[in-house]
Amino acid sequence: DAGVTQSPTHLIKTRGQQVTLRCSPKSGHDTVSWYQQALGQGPQFIFQYYEEEERQRGNFPDRFSGHQFPNYSSELNVNALLLGDSALYLCASSPSAGSSYEQYFGPGTRLTVT
Amino acid sequence: GQQVMQIPQYQHVQEGEDFTTYCNSSTTLSNIQWYKQRPGGHPVFLIQLVKSGEVKKQKRLTFQFGEAKKNSSLHITATQTTDVGTYFCAGPVRGNKLTFGTGTQLKVEL
Repeated sequence: DAGVTQSPTHLIKTRGQQVTLRCSPKSGHDTVSWYQQALGQGPQFIFQYYEEEERQRGNFPDRFSGHQFPNYSSELNVNALLLGDSALYLCASSPSAGSSYEQYFGPGTRLTVT
Repeated sequence: GQQVMQIPQYQHVQEGEDFTTYCNSSTTLSNIQWYKQRPGGHPVFLIQLVKSGEVKKQKRLTFQFGEAKKNSSLHITATQTTDVGTYFCAGPVRGNKLTFGTGTQLKVEL
């Protein structure tokens, strides 16, 4: 039973560029949440997708957008990259929407913006 | 500002000593979750507490949820080197948005 998978593992981009990160949830899970984790800090909630719609959104600008596909996998898109976007991006899946379910995290994508 | 705080930020202990991290929220929480993140790894779910005053144990780990459901603690008895990592609490602070605490980094020395 595969857990949460994310790709790519590492990514280096230049300021102003755009990036797409991908996530496949744990088998049996239909909800995907994305988090940004800066070095030395806790994960910060970006948004949550359920039934192919954004259900909850954290305090992130519109440059951050996402998508969920019919097979429950998800993408995180970040436009007009800033140096401050450098972080570990974590995808987490859960068996349903909301915040009452344990989050199964993937290994993350380390994004470096130069 | 930060709505879920944890203290201490860092803790160094000798193997065999006990360890406690405290989590405080600015608002009442419907539930609190605890995660452990090893160096270079991703957060791994440990436990969820739902009821006021709830206490749960997992081997050497004891978790408590405060009576007012605004604070929680994690206590590790007789730490081992395998306990090394950062411990995060997390709760739904605003609606259903899971907010993680600031974390407590635990280092265990032989």
